[in-house]
Amino acid sequence: DTGVSQDPRHKITKRGQNVTFRCDPISEHNRLYWYRQTLGQGPEFLTYFQNEAQLEKSRLLSDRFSAERPKGSFSTLEIQRTEQGDSAMYLCASRMDGYTFGSGTRLTVV
Amino acid sequence: LAKTTQPISMDSYEGQEVNITCSHNNIATNDYITWYQQFPSQGPRFIIQGYKTKVTNEVASLFIPADRKSSTLSLPRVSLSDTAVYYCLVGESSGGYQKVTFGTGTKLQVIP
Repeated sequence: DTGVSQDPRHKITKRGQNVTFRCDPISEHNRLYWYRQTLGQGPEFLTYFQNEAQLEKSRLLSDRFSAERPKGSFSTLEIQRTEQGDSAMYLCASRMDGYTFGSGTRLTVV
Repeated sequence: LAKTTQPISMDSYEGQEVNITCSHNNIATNDYITWYQQFPSQGPRFIIQGYKTKVTNEVASLFIPADRKSSTLSLPRVSLSDTAVYYCLVGESSGGYQKVTFGTGTKLQVIP
């Protein structure tokens, strides 16, 4: 599989719990992005990595959110103390020329 | 980042040509225009990208007038499987890191 992989595909968690998502980009893509998408809206930019360096973070990314990309390969997005408003699809994309998106992780906070 | 405006939704019968127009009045000189398609529960998928005039690939055509303030995605002979949300984005092509800003897209419903 040469696409962008995201794991898990679905996550249901109780409010206040921590969750972590993983993204495996296309191996030769050095740029990696996280987006969040709520129902009926387009994806919203969260953060960007070039190799292992996190170069930009959106104001949407509160202190409860943290993203890492150790060694410039896979990336993780962690949400601490989840809130119901965090329920969304979390999309990862990697890029050489155009973006290649993964299928996303759908988070439901109950 | 240039803001884009698209119709919220469109309906079309199977077999017809569909044209979706996007306005981007503040497009910058080095901005490209890119269209993505998104099915439910999937990430957006690249369709086509262009800078000016016309670009065609096996899936769609993209028409860009000389002033580049708008663009039209043309889908020939749509089928039910083309029912999806289509996003128009403007930004740098390869070379820049360019986070892109998605609007709400155009929800295309193909009717049998």
